[in-house]
Amino acid sequence: QVQLVQSGAEVKKPGASVKVSCKASGYTFTGYYMHWVRQAPGQGLEWMGRINPNSGGTNYAQKFQGRVTMTRDTSISTAYMELSRLRSDDTAVYYCARDFSLVGATTFDYWGQGTLVTVSS
Amino acid sequence: QSALTQPASVSGSPGQSITISCTGTSSDVGGYNYVSWYQQHPGKAPKLMIYEVSNRPSGVPDRFSGSKSGNTASLTISGLQAEDEADYYCSSYTSSSTLAVFGGGTKLTVL
Repeated sequence: QVQLVQSGAEVKKPGASVKVSCKASGYTFTGYYMHWVRQAPGQGLEWMGRINPNSGGTNYAQKFQGRVTMTRDTSISTAYMELSRLRSDDTAVYYCARDFSLVGATTFDYWGQGTLVTVSS
Repeated sequence: QSALTQPASVSGSPGQSITISCTGTSSDVGGYNYVSWYQQHPGKAPKLMIYEVSNRPSGVPDRFSGSKSGNTASLTISGLQAEDEADYYCSSYTSSSTLAVFGGGTKLTVL
């Protein structure tokens, strides 16, 4: 069965960087786009970007351009999301989500369990 | 401010039907049949309920249905059950550089 297992909670200081991992299993990792979505406490969902695990190509939301980097390691079926220059308003649960649409139509059928990133001095 | 507009809350009694709207533009909801709906219970990850406007993934009850007219998509839940109480988010592919946009979410209360 498809599973996305994310790394554990992080506490970071303002200005630091955080790197969250998402290990996929149960399907061909390189066959589906992987997206990252975040949710601030009590708020809605916000799309951050996606990576093509096959080519490594990325697309980022304009809001995060220059601060986010998405990478992957196909040998261990793991995607990564690194966010730099953290601010307090980056405090959120970060999710990885598989796009089941082969045309990249941003339909998320499987989600990781979420990783809470807390930014506090 | 979210890109797609949803009502903040809706409510209904068990057995009744409710509809949640999701309004966008011709660059997202109106331009593509790539509208999805997600259910999220507190402390849990979202769950896909409807994709490509009106398709249900395997395992989702047929009480859940989706539709679209112009720039507005809708999620209808018939025969409301207590376990349907959750937050619901719509999402759409968009032609902008930000490939996906979400609605602000709708809290469904089953009275």
